[in-house]
Amino acid sequence: ETGVTQSPTHLIKTRGQQVTLRCSSQSGHNTVSWYQQALGQGPQFIFQYYREEENGRGNFPPRFSGLQFPNYSSELNVNALELDDSALYLCASSLEPNTEAFFGQGTRLTVV
Amino acid sequence: KQEVTQIPAALSVPEGENLVLNCSFTDSAIYNLQWFRQDPGKGLTSLLLIQSSQREQTSGRLNASLDKSSGRSTLYIAASQPGDSATYLCAVKKAGGTSYGKLTFGQGTILTVHP
Repeated sequence: ETGVTQSPTHLIKTRGQQVTLRCSSQSGHNTVSWYQQALGQGPQFIFQYYREEENGRGNFPPRFSGLQFPNYSSELNVNALELDDSALYLCASSLEPNTEAFFGQGTRLTVV
Repeated sequence: KQEVTQIPAALSVPEGENLVLNCSFTDSAIYNLQWFRQDPGKGLTSLLLIQSSQREQTSGRLNASLDKSSGRSTLYIAASQPGDSATYLCAVKKAGGTSYGKLTFGQGTILTVHP
């Protein structure tokens, strides 16, 4: 059984560009959540997908968007990148929204 | 709005000590509470999950307790080792309403165990 995998592991982008981060959920998990973790802070909830539908969103602007595919993998898209978007982006999957969350290793995004 | 607070922010102990990390939360409407470990620049490793109906969970040298009514959890680490050095994060999972299943995290406790 494979765990949660994220790609890429590191990424450098220029302010104003767009980026897509990817997450493969653990086998059998239908729920994927995305979190942003700034340096020295706890992770902040971006949004959650349950069976391909958005199931809740945190306090992030619309330029943060996502998708969940029929195989329950997911993408996080960020448009018009800002310097403050530099962070570790974490993906978590779970069997159902209310069960244990398992995290990937994260994608470190640097915006210059 | 759920708020999670972890105390202390940082802790430095000699190897072999038993230690307690504290977590408090403001909204008791939770499905569960998880303790995670995070090594620098890495993802989160789940250590213990306590369901809202449970009082404690144990795994090896780790024991976590939950008092949902008072909004508190503690993580007890016995006989600490240098390999335990990491940031420990507490997170509660929201029950019901919009964004149910959302995890709210504390800021973490940075633990250093020196030989």
